[in-house]
Amino acid sequence: QQQVKQSPQSLIVQKGGISIINCAYENTAFDYFPWYQQFPGKGPALLIAIRPDVSEKKEGRFTISFNKSAKQFSLHIMDSQPGDSATYFCAASIIDDKIIFGKGTRLHILP
Amino acid sequence: GAVVSQHPSWVICKSGTSVKIECRSLDFQATTMFWYRQFPKQSLMLMATSNEGSKATYEQGVEKDKFLINHASLTLSTLTVTSAHPEDSSFYICSASAQMNTEAFFGQGTRLTVV
Repeated sequence: QQQVKQSPQSLIVQKGGISIINCAYENTAFDYFPWYQQFPGKGPALLIAIRPDVSEKKEGRFTISFNKSAKQFSLHIMDSQPGDSATYFCAASIIDDKIIFGKGTRLHILP
Repeated sequence: GAVVSQHPSWVICKSGTSVKIECRSLDFQATTMFWYRQFPKQSLMLMATSNEGSKATYEQGVEKDKFLINHASLTLSTLTVTSAHPEDSSFYICSASAQMNTEAFFGQGTRLTVV
């Protein structure tokens, strides 16, 4: 029940295309859903986050869509660029508890 | 965003020795710090949660006597890998937050290689 399931495991997108990564969770007590971007040899960096009282959040080319009833949330990267090539992790947490990470998606943007 | 500094970035040590990794929050007070381990092409595995001034809470399967965590101040936590062995070679990452369930900021990670 503590798991966060992430798909796909890897993704290849043409430059300028839309990259979509999906996550699903079981624990309805989760109330914070961040996405992290990680480059090789570096620690993860927070990209964007959402709370369940909002269905969508957009920051620049990055958008989180949140479906509370389906217990799913997704990351959309618009106009994907080669510099977006990285590993992306979705995560979830509840008050006073740890962050649970998905298994990650390795994104490669073709130039 | 806030800055979390991790040191060293990489370390090579001999089997049987101990290695200490530091995690500092540079511009905020971190009541909670987390230590993760990450194997190549895998996700972050939480090892332990530490709160300033109290004992760390270890995840199931993590040896507390092998991975010593100290959170002596609101800006510093240390992870000591004792009697390191080659299987301890991994990427260790810390994160810090001012409160639970708020944004967590990650260090740049430490690549440990035990030879």
